[in-house]
Amino acid sequence: DADVTQTPRNRITKTGKRIMLECSQTKGHDRMYWYRQDPGLGLRLIYYSFDVKDINKGEISDGYSVSRQAQAKFSLSLESAIPNQTALYFCATSANYGTVPWSYNEQFFGPGTRLTVL
Amino acid sequence: QQQVKQSPQSLIVQKGGIPIINCAYENTAFDYFPWYQQFPGKGPALLIAIRPDVSEKKEGRFTISFNKSAKQFSLHIMDSQPGDSATYFCAASRGSARQLTFGSGTQLTVLP
Repeated sequence: DADVTQTPRNRITKTGKRIMLECSQTKGHDRMYWYRQDPGLGLRLIYYSFDVKDINKGEISDGYSVSRQAQAKFSLSLESAIPNQTALYFCATSANYGTVPWSYNEQFFGPGTRLTVL
Repeated sequence: QQQVKQSPQSLIVQKGGIPIINCAYENTAFDYFPWYQQFPGKGPALLIAIRPDVSEKKEGRFTISFNKSAKQFSLHIMDSQPGDSATYFCAASRGSARQLTFGSGTQLTVLP
């Protein structure tokens, strides 16, 4: 079974609709992230959460909201979808290696959700 | 503002060739530089990473070269294979938050 799962895998919606993308993980990681991927722009961070009570905005949070329902679940919502939110969305998780400066932070990505807003 | 600039956008090489992907960064506070590999329909996966206190790191056919003074780092793939065809992202992070800032990606095609 996949360690990081995302539902749905594909979604087509209309402008103005509310939509929720869900992410679940079985890796036991504290940290979870939402990214969007657009051609030529790489991956950009939308929101991240270090635990259930710690949620932070990323580079492009406008138009999005998130909910950390449990350690293993992190949902991304588009309250009123617009066409320029059409993109590939990825959830990722990582362990907390502490504050050692050289400690790395491998992020484990889900398979992605392709969202189209008409 | 893109803090990590990646080039080229796409790259085509013959099997056995040595593709090189380059990245440059501005923020000298970055202290961790990973490369992620993404196959079509999949999420990115960590390929190799380097800290700024070393100039080179090798893992199998993959090598990162790091030039701290120039604020540049690059990925070299030795004896490239068609199975290496994928999109490659460089990234950088800093501090305890460990947020990753990604480059724009390079689509690599290795011809048989």
